[in-house]
Amino acid sequence: GQQLNQSPQSMFIQEGEDVSMNCTSSSIFNTWLWYKQDPGEGPVLLIALYKAGELTSNGRLTAQFGITRKDSFLNISASIPSDVGIYFCAGQNVGNEKLTFGTGTRLTIIP
Amino acid sequence: DGGITQSPKYLFRKEGQNVTLSCEQNLNHDAMYWYRQDPGQGLRLIYYSQIVNDFQKGDIAEGYSVSREKKESFPLTVTSAQKNPTAFYLCASSLGGWGYTGELFFGEGSRLTVL
Repeated sequence: GQQLNQSPQSMFIQEGEDVSMNCTSSSIFNTWLWYKQDPGEGPVLLIALYKAGELTSNGRLTAQFGITRKDSFLNISASIPSDVGIYFCAGQNVGNEKLTFGTGTRLTIIP
Repeated sequence: DGGITQSPKYLFRKEGQNVTLSCEQNLNHDAMYWYRQDPGQGLRLIYYSQIVNDFQKGDIAEGYSVSREKKESFPLTVTSAQKNPTAFYLCASSLGGWGYTGELFFGEGSRLTVL
């Protein structure tokens, strides 16, 4: 099955720094979702995007649905310790087929 | 509280044994899913069910089996035919099937280790 390419695979940052990550696909998607997984837990939905060009915020998180419909971006401002975890993007193809998940970006905050 | 309950959280199995992972939801969701998570590989779909008494194979169904006899329950059996069963297994549900919003709600996962 298809998988999305997420970049970077891992990030090591200091508390207070801003974070940017992205997700790219070879296919056009009509829905993009961003999930966060805490260690030893299941993923939790952060942001959902349904329209090309859409920019949506949830607190310190901002996500964008790329104009080409083949990519999406997630930014976290002023990172805090509880931001640690794995961030997954997920896309849904045109025709409302099953969700495809990215390989994840692991975020670590250096003391 | 409404949610998805997976059990057991940790499971150890000897090679050649079948094991069944439980997944129960009280969200009144129609659709349920099983994903497998391996380090660096993201989430891969094993099986999904959009309605009671019906289910479809996902991308990596070989060596796994499921049943959907009740709306709230979707157990996964990892059979001895699964070549590399050690992984973190995640169950999820959604209000509608794939054609809905795409938003999935996940359980806390079950970690299976084959000794």
